[in-house]
Amino acid sequence: SAVISQKPSRDICQRGTSLTIQCQVDSQVTMMFWYRQQPGQSLTLIATANQGSEATYESGFVIDKFPISRPNLTFSTLTVSNMSPEDSSIYLCSVVSDSSYEQYFGPGTRLTVT
Amino acid sequence: ELKVEQNPLFLSMQEGKNYTIYCNYSTTSDRLYWYRQDPGKSLESLFVLLSNGAVKQEGRLMASLDTKARLSTLHITAAVHDLSATYFCAVGPGAQKLVFGQGTRLTINP
Repeated sequence: SAVISQKPSRDICQRGTSLTIQCQVDSQVTMMFWYRQQPGQSLTLIATANQGSEATYESGFVIDKFPISRPNLTFSTLTVSNMSPEDSSIYLCSVVSDSSYEQYFGPGTRLTVT
Repeated sequence: ELKVEQNPLFLSMQEGKNYTIYCNYSTTSDRLYWYRQDPGKSLESLFVLLSNGAVKQEGRLMASLDTKARLSTLHITAAVHDLSATYFCAVGPGAQKLVFGQGTRLTINP
């Protein structure tokens, strides 16, 4: 199984600022995903982070608000820009095993915007 | 647009009882996942179901998939308190991204 780490694990940020979340995987993977889980809710896919190309965003999410980088096959970052209290959520990165179809999730970053 | 619906959304049950969580999805898919989430924690993978009629079991949990009915079930046998958590099903419409159900918050009382 893949071991995924995220930094920071939690943060409290002021309205209007930006936060970059890092995701590191212990093995090379083709596709990485970023999900958001709002308080008491299910998970919603933000975007698919592709190595060597632009991220693919889901409906309702835009690059200006959630820029993503994927510089190599083990690392990705998600930035939450110009934050508002509505951005308070848990942000999780996820990877898929190329061999077993298992999809693994990182420990999450708990973001609170005041 | 793929929709995934779970029921019930909340379930309170007594230890020792059996129960089933249902997961319906709206369009054909080739993968169905079950996850467990404890409060304040990330998601733990329970099962991956890849074909019609697939059945997987781990301890007191058993998951099955009927692709023709677009239905998966997660059956809990002789529940114990440690199984209290939120359970999510998720369906893959292709390209390996997942659409999640709303989650079922399960509370097992002694």
